[in-house]
Amino acid sequence: DTGVSQDPRHKITKRGQNVTFRCDPISEHNRLYWYRQTLGQGPEFLTYFQNEAQLEKSRLLSDRFSAERPKGSFSTLEIQRTEQGDSAMYLCASSLGSWETQYFGPGTRLLVL
Amino acid sequence: AQSVTQLGSHVSVSEGALVLLRCNYSSSVPPYLFWYVQYPNQGLQLLLKYTSAATLVKGINGFEAEFKKSETSFHLTKPSAHMSDAAEYFCAVSDRGAGSYQLTFGKGTKLSVIP
Repeated sequence: DTGVSQDPRHKITKRGQNVTFRCDPISEHNRLYWYRQTLGQGPEFLTYFQNEAQLEKSRLLSDRFSAERPKGSFSTLEIQRTEQGDSAMYLCASSLGSWETQYFGPGTRLLVL
Repeated sequence: AQSVTQLGSHVSVSEGALVLLRCNYSSSVPPYLFWYVQYPNQGLQLLLKYTSAATLVKGINGFEAEFKKSETSFHLTKPSAHMSDAAEYFCAVSDRGAGSYQLTFGKGTKLSVIP
């Protein structure tokens, strides 16, 4: 296993721009999660996929956020019209079968200027 | 809704000393509980988990945690700290059997190890 990978690792953007992040889960992991981590806080759940179906969304996921997992493999998280409050680390995790053990990627650190 | 409180945002111990990181949870149902570790510029790595089997759970790198229902606690311990243990530690809870797959994390405790 190569582990969960995320791209890019860092992103700097200007307020109002759109950004898209990619997550590649561990091969054959059917569950995929997105979390957001701000400075000094623990990760906060954003959304969850089982295969290609998005089964759970946090109320933190405003209308500007959208996530997809089109073929049940990689996932993308898009933020439209970014705001300074969106600056955070975006973490992706995946699991197989038993959801208890989530394996995390290195994260994408977003800075909105 | 479940929640986690980690007491102490920063803990310092001497190398070779006992490590004790505190975690208290709130859950309406018996929970699943987890400890994750995060090294700088890396993702979270699972240290150990409690899923209703033995209340004393052993994890990687010599860490263990004890589930105490009466105290709603799941404190993380290690008998002897090593320099490589310096990292941030997160306690997390997930409602057991509630159909929710999300983890709720505490704010984290940064562990420093003094040589």
